[in-house]
Amino acid sequence: DSGVTQTPKHLITATGQRVTLRCSPRSGDLSVYWYQQSLDQGLQFLIQYYNGEERAKGNILERFSAQQFPDLHSELNLSSLELGDSALYFCASSVASSGRSSYNEQFFGPGTRLTVL
Amino acid sequence: AQSVTQPDIHITVSEGASLELRCNYSYGATPYLFWYVQSPGQGLQLLLKYFSGDTLVQGIKGFEAEFKRSQSSFNLRKPSVHWSDAAEYFCAASGFQKLVFGTGTRLLVSP
Repeated sequence: DSGVTQTPKHLITATGQRVTLRCSPRSGDLSVYWYQQSLDQGLQFLIQYYNGEERAKGNILERFSAQQFPDLHSELNLSSLELGDSALYFCASSVASSGRSSYNEQFFGPGTRLTVL
Repeated sequence: AQSVTQPDIHITVSEGASLELRCNYSYGATPYLFWYVQSPGQGLQLLLKYFSGDTLVQGIKGFEAEFKRSQSSFNLRKPSVHWSDAAEYFCAASGFQKLVFGTGTRLLVSP
């Protein structure tokens, strides 16, 4: 158990709908990362937040957005869902944001499996 | 562009035999390097990491990996595979923020 929790575990929805995935980081971790694992694209970084602010952006679609709240939990919002959005969405957390002189290990949650029908 | 390549999609190894999973990276400078394992329906578990120093790193579950700068490689090894090692293995690299993952190698263990 990494200490990172994600809810829900599974989500089934229809095309065109909007869903929210939730992540609670490990106690004391300030950074949250979102990754998408799909059959087509593999494991891809989506976005990172650090202490409430967006820190880095990856291949995140405009239909997707995220935020990190004052209690440090994060939510990933996916809208106008398409069949291709079906994937496993992972959240990871780390103590801080890594820099040139140090790397802060990312701990992964169990993921939320999204199925778009 | 930053990339990580795992050339083998599937590998089958007999139980008790040795294992080597290949990983090559392309980065501007030497990145931090990682191996993760994902069992069916599970999240990602870190096996080992390389930041600097000794090029042979030891990890959990009896795994080790060797960093070779000249070959831009970070191959994962295990001397004797157990049936419980069957899983998907991901090599990853990082500059400072995001992890860039390879496409994964699925390990099958035959009796």
